[in-house]
Amino acid sequence: DAGITQSPRHKVTETGTPVTLRCHQTENHRYMYWYRQDPGHGLRLIHYSYGVKDTDKGEVSDGYSVSRSKTEDFLLTLESATSSQTSVYFCAISPGGNTEAFFGQGTRLTVV
Amino acid sequence: GESVGLHLPTLSVQEGDNSIINCAYSNSASDYFIWYKQESGKGPQFIIDIRSNMDKRQGQRVTVLLNKTVKHLSLQIAATQPGDSAVYFCAENRANQAGTALIFGKGTTLSVSS
Repeated sequence: DAGITQSPRHKVTETGTPVTLRCHQTENHRYMYWYRQDPGHGLRLIHYSYGVKDTDKGEVSDGYSVSRSKTEDFLLTLESATSSQTSVYFCAISPGGNTEAFFGQGTRLTVV
Repeated sequence: GESVGLHLPTLSVQEGDNSIINCAYSNSASDYFIWYKQESGKGPQFIIDIRSNMDKRQGQRVTVLLNKTVKHLSLQIAATQPGDSAVYFCAENRANQAGTALIFGKGTTLSVSS
């Protein structure tokens, strides 16, 4: 899986609690992405990073924040989880903006 | 708004037939496109890509066609096999002042029967 590790792989949390998902890469790629996948919506971009401390919003960024303090880690935080954030979250990495991206195995998050 | 999308959510074919999966995009500034395959319970996997200075690219049993005039992208799979059953996504790279984001369409589910 191109040196990408997502953790945790599964999580159940309660509404209103903070949650942080981690994406770790060993490829030294510049770009990292967070997506959510829901039935009927495909993959929707939440946030992405184009370098250390450089991030930008994606299509569905409300309710999410990200941080990238070093090349290998990209964290996605739900400050106060809601049931609408129940989803499968995928991290992806890419060496550049116009090259293929490699995906992790996903994190299944359930907010009850 | 601008989007990347697929024409049909599902496609059913017989083993051995050729499959064609279509995708329409609306951002005329996009210059790089990718097709991904996603099997159940896994992350998307790269199939083939194409840049806007090309109109056709071939891989092993797959061909991607790009028609910039009508903003249309297609994936052709030759001699479709049961192992090709999966969800297929097209994606485009959209650049802005900050960086380049990879935006996906909703996907087409390909079902191959023996």
